[in-house]
Parts: sequence; C-alpha cells; structure tokens
Amino acid sequence: EPEVTQTPSHQVTQMGQEVILRCVPISNHLYFYWYRQILGQKVEFLVSFYNNEISEKSEIFDDQFSVERPDGSNFTLKIRSTKLEDSAMYFCASSTGTGSISYGYTFGSGTRLTVV
Amino acid sequence: QKEVEQDPGPLSVPEGAIVSLNCTYSNSAFQYFMWYRQYSRKGPELLMYTYSSGNKEDGRFTAQVDKSSKYISLFIRDSQPSDSATYLCAMRGRYNNNDMRFGAGTRLTVKP
Repeated sequence: EPEVTQTPSHQVTQMGQEVILRCVPISNHLYFYWYRQILGQKVEFLVSFYNNEISEKSEIFDDQFSVERPDGSNFTLKIRSTKLEDSAMYFCASSTGTGSISYGYTFGSGTRLTVV
Repeated sequence: QKEVEQDPGPLSVPEGAIVSLNCTYSNSAFQYFMWYRQYSRKGPELLMYTYSSGNKEDGRFTAQVDKSSKYISLFIRDSQPSDSATYLCAMRGRYNNNDMRFGAGTRLTVKP
C-alpha cells in the first residue's frame, strides 16, 4: 500500500538552529499538509499546499515556518531559529483531492523534533 | 469552549468488551466526521468517515453521529488487543480539508 515517508524519524537540534523536515507524499496525490502534535496535546493543522503554493495556513504557521516542494517528489517544512516550544511530532499528510470526504488523508509516521 | 472535546482516557478494557469512544463539538459548520487510529510512534490512520446523522458500520466498528446534539461516537465490538491505540475524532466543513479539527485522542488498551 502506498505510504507517505518522512525523514528523519527523530531530530534533535539546538535552540536557534534551523531544521528541515522532509516528506515524500504518495506519488499521485496533489494536496499536501503539515500537522504537528505537541506531546499529550491535539494534532494541529499548520499548512496546506497545492499547485506549488500555500493554500491555507494556521496562526501557528508564522514567519518562522516555510514549506517547499523543491522537486517532483519531496515536500519540506523548514523551521528557522527553532524555539523550545517547537518540540513536537510533525506529521506530513497528502490527499488526492479536497472537498469530498472520500479524499481522506494519508499521514506519514512523523518526525519527532526535540529542541534543546 | 473548545471546538472539539474528547476524553483523553486512558481507557482499559478486557478482550471481547464493547468499547465506546465519544466526542462533542461546538461548531455547527462541521459536516464531515472521521475517526483516526494512531499506533504508538505512527501517524494517524483513517478508520471511518461519515457525513450524516445515524450509524455507519464497518466490521466490528460502528460510527454514530448525532448532529442535533453535536455528539459523535465510535463503537468497537469484540475488542482485540490489536485495537490498542489512540483513537482521534476529527471533523471538518463541507468544502475543503483545511479546517479539519482533531480531538485530543483517547488512549485505549485492550487486555488479553
């Protein structure tokens, strides 16, 4: 069964450093998303991406964050100048479409980011 | 009031028990309702979705929606140890995925 692949599975970084989290969505999917889950808290929407541009972002997704689809397969989330409170699981997801509920998301296994 | 409320548990039941997981919501714009299952160190996996009030059955799982009460449930019959996971309710409006909101997740353990 097709999978969304995320790398690395765990990243430890020092406060103030930049990190790039990588995702390879399912090949025929067109919509891409980043979510995060702080330990013990809800899964929270960060950003959605379609046709090489951001289609929507949450209030969490401030200037510290950026997303990119540098080639035909990868989808990256960059966090500049990381803060302690950025420590969380970051999930990438993709879907074939939007609107109809049948366009369910496929989530990756996540990247655990630890900022020290 | 939070948009989506879900009791985080944890919930522990013996194998074979019927499990009831519930969420309430406040936003009447939510039209589509989903249940995700999340195993430890894995991403959420879509289990069931529904968009109308009433019951939807899939094997041992039944999703129930009561839009008038803004209440959704997931029932698991004949629960198995392999059902041990965190169950997340999620819901969104009709037209796009971007406003999807998740519950906090209920951690379920089914003991052999």
